[in-house]
Amino acid sequence: KNQVEQSPQSLIILEGKNCTLQCNYTVSPFSNLRWYKQDTGRGPVSLTIMTFSENTKSNGRYTATLDADTKQSSLHITASQLSDSASYICVVSPRMDSSYKLIFGSGTRLLVRP
Amino acid sequence: GAGVSQSPSNKVTEKGKDVELRCDPISGHTALYWYRQRLGQGLEFLIYFQGNSAPDKSGLPSDRFSAERTGESVSTLTIQRTQQEDSAVYLCASSPNRRTNYGYTFGSGTRLTVV
Repeated sequence: KNQVEQSPQSLIILEGKNCTLQCNYTVSPFSNLRWYKQDTGRGPVSLTIMTFSENTKSNGRYTATLDADTKQSSLHITASQLSDSASYICVVSPRMDSSYKLIFGSGTRLLVRP
Repeated sequence: GAGVSQSPSNKVTEKGKDVELRCDPISGHTALYWYRQRLGQGLEFLIYFQGNSAPDKSGLPSDRFSAERTGESVSTLTIQRTQQEDSAVYLCASSPNRRTNYGYTFGSGTRLTVV
């Protein structure tokens, strides 16, 4: 069964600190891997998208990495802000005809405290 | 519209009642998707539309769930005889077409509570 596993489930950090969220997946072959941010009561919003041939992608203070050999990805948040408090979801898009059926991790809930 | 719009944003219903959830995709997006998100869990795929056709309904959990799309625009997800286990956030997304699933945009969801 295709799976996307994220860790930790939840994380609390102080404002200004950095953090790294992890994603392991078994989806194979895959087309792309995304990280989404989901604020409470809102739909997920895309942060980064990486194809299987890319190994890093940045979006402001967010940097995602991808190791297709070990099937691992991470999302690094630099100089965290209170507004970073949200769930961060790792999503893998299978290759081939089922590419529309994104496979979602359960997310990491991040709380940034002042 | 500028984004994917879902209504209502919240719905509380009694067990056994039917509910309809609405999704207005981004104008021109031919692909539309419905997902369910239970508390603390990942999104579960329900159904995918390409135009007004639904080539993949494999995620619908039971025959109480159905969805339609008209005018290659608005979609309605209907849950008949609701059960408490149906309580979840129902998210809709749209994308320009299925081949590139880039441009995938989510709505804010409908939070359904069955009491």
